[in-house]
This record gives sequence, structure tokens and C-alpha cells, in this order.
Amino acid sequence: AQTVTQSQPEMSVQEAETVTLSCTYDTSESNYYLFWYKQPPSRQMILVIRQEAYKQQNATENRFSVNFQKAAKSFSLKISDSQLGDTAMYFCAFNSNQGAQKLVFGQGTRLTINP
Amino acid sequence: NAGVTQTPKFQVLKTGQSMTLQCAQDMNHNSMYWYRQDPGMGLRLIYYSASEGTTDKGEVPNGYNVSRLNKREFSLRLESAAPSQTSVYFCASSEYVGETQYFGPGTRLLVL
Repeated sequence: AQTVTQSQPEMSVQEAETVTLSCTYDTSESNYYLFWYKQPPSRQMILVIRQEAYKQQNATENRFSVNFQKAAKSFSLKISDSQLGDTAMYFCAFNSNQGAQKLVFGQGTRLTINP
Repeated sequence: NAGVTQTPKFQVLKTGQSMTLQCAQDMNHNSMYWYRQDPGMGLRLIYYSASEGTTDKGEVPNGYNVSRLNKREFSLRLESAAPSQTSVYFCASSEYVGETQYFGPGTRLLVL
């Protein structure tokens, strides 16, 4: 079974700084999807970024980018020029592309952006 | 375009009571999902429906039943609520299984 591990339960940075959230996963599959979701205090789950495993190019979405290392099974999220509104729980998630697909989540990283 | 909607937002039940959580999506998605989120944990899949007319168990299905009423609606039923089912429940949908999932706002359930 796939597992997703986020080793940083909490992080805190100053506004405008760059921060990187770590995620590792375990799978024997070669084709899959990886996601970062943001959950602000409102509890709404918001998609931040998505990466398809067959694509070598790292996904980017404005201030958010990923460092996808397939061989190392690592998928970190970089937030540049952090803003107060980035304060949230961040979840890394894995989705298989075969069999009984389901989204497997990590335990989350609580990120606080300080003014 | 409301996306994924869930009702109710909050519910208190007594042990042994039953209730149904409702979910609807207006994105014409084929696949729908129910998750629960407990403190300090990520979301765990309860049941999913890959397409209209099909449902399958996820990671934590015990104590729950689901109905895919039509393409838009996917309900989750607790037949006899237990305190261990106190949680926040999220519904999600995607165009197909494996594609990006879009989440509803969640239902907070407290079982006393």
C-alpha cells in the first residue's frame, strides 16, 4: 500500500520569506499523481499544485513550485514571497493511476506566516 | 457554479442515532468520494463512487453506507452513530478516478 510522509508537523517563517515543505512517499508504481492541498482555518481543502509522475518538469503555479525527485520518491513544495494568507495546514497526497485508485494523504504540515 | 456542496455544516448526534450526510456537485464529474478527517491526521477515504451506479469501499468503511443517487449526488449514511465517528467529513469529486479532486466545505459531526 502507498504511504505518504510529511516529516515537519509545524513550520513558521516571516512574511516575504521562502519556505519549503517536505513530502516523501512510498510506491511500487511508475505512473501516478502527486498533489499539495492547502487547508486554511475555514477547513476548505484547496488544491495548490499537481504533478504527474511521467512528467520530468516540475510543476509551478505562481508563487508555488515543487521539486519532484521520482527516484528518491520526494515531492517538496516551495512557497516564494510568502504571504499572511498562506497560513494553513498543507497536505501532500498521492493518487495511483491504476487499480483501486484513491487519494492517500500525509499527516500535514501546519505553516504559519508571521508579519 | 457552486462546485461541491455539503449539508449539514454541523450536526450533533447521540450514540445509536442515524443520519445521512448529503453531497452534490455541479461540475458534471463522474467520480465522487467521502473522507473523514480526525485531529492530527490527514483525510482517510471512507467510500468512493467511480461512476454513477458504482460504489466501492475505501480505507475506513466500517459503520457507513453510501448511495450514489445520480451523477450529481452522493450520500453517506451512519446507521447507528458511535463516538468514534466524531470527525469532520469531506465530500469530493473528480472528472474521473485518478484526476484532481475538488472538495466540499466539510461537515463537522459530534457523536455524544
